[in-house]
Amino acid sequence: DTGVSQDPRHKITKRGQNVTFRCDPISEHNRLYWYRQTLGQGPEFLTYFQNEAQLEKSRLLSDRFSAERPKGSFSTLEIQRTEQGDSAMYLCASSLAQLGETQYFGPGTRLLVL
Amino acid sequence: AQSVTQLDSQVPVFEEAPVELRCNYSSSVSVYLFWYVQYPNQGLQLLLKYLSGSTLVKGINGFEAEFNKSQTSFHLRKPSVQISDTAEYFCAVVVSGGSYIPTFGRGTSLIVHP
Repeated sequence: DTGVSQDPRHKITKRGQNVTFRCDPISEHNRLYWYRQTLGQGPEFLTYFQNEAQLEKSRLLSDRFSAERPKGSFSTLEIQRTEQGDSAMYLCASSLAQLGETQYFGPGTRLLVL
Repeated sequence: AQSVTQLDSQVPVFEEAPVELRCNYSSSVSVYLFWYVQYPNQGLQLLLKYLSGSTLVKGINGFEAEFNKSQTSFHLRKPSVQISDTAEYFCAVVVSGGSYIPTFGRGTSLIVHP
């Protein structure tokens, strides 16, 4: 297995545009997480899935953000009407569904909103 | 709710010197503790984790950490650092019996000078 992959690695967009990111987890992992990381900060939880079910979303997650994991495999994160404050690194991680299980992170998608 | 404090935002050190990166957490219940490393333009990679048992945990690349319940700390140590250890280090906590979602600290930038 090649690990968690994310696409694209970089995205530059204009304010107001919609963007979509993709994450492909490790194949046998049933949990998938999305995080946002800004400069000088640790990853901030956005949402997570167990198989295709979205089990939790951060209270900080704006309505402009939506995530899907339609068949319990890859996941997409869409940001509608992007704002400059959305500029960040978006990280995806996957794990088995066991408490204390290691999360394996992808390389991230760096978003810049102009 | 749990929280993680990494007191040092940046730690400069000379090659082959010992280093300690500090992490303190707050939680009223039992926790699992993790240290991750992030190299430039890459995702996070697990260094080590504490789930139970021996309070001294050994990880990859010669790193180790000690869980101290009374001081609610999980400091990371390496007896002799290398230039290649230059990276961002994140401490994270997961509440035992709670959700699977880790809370990350803000990170400590380890800078190893020749």
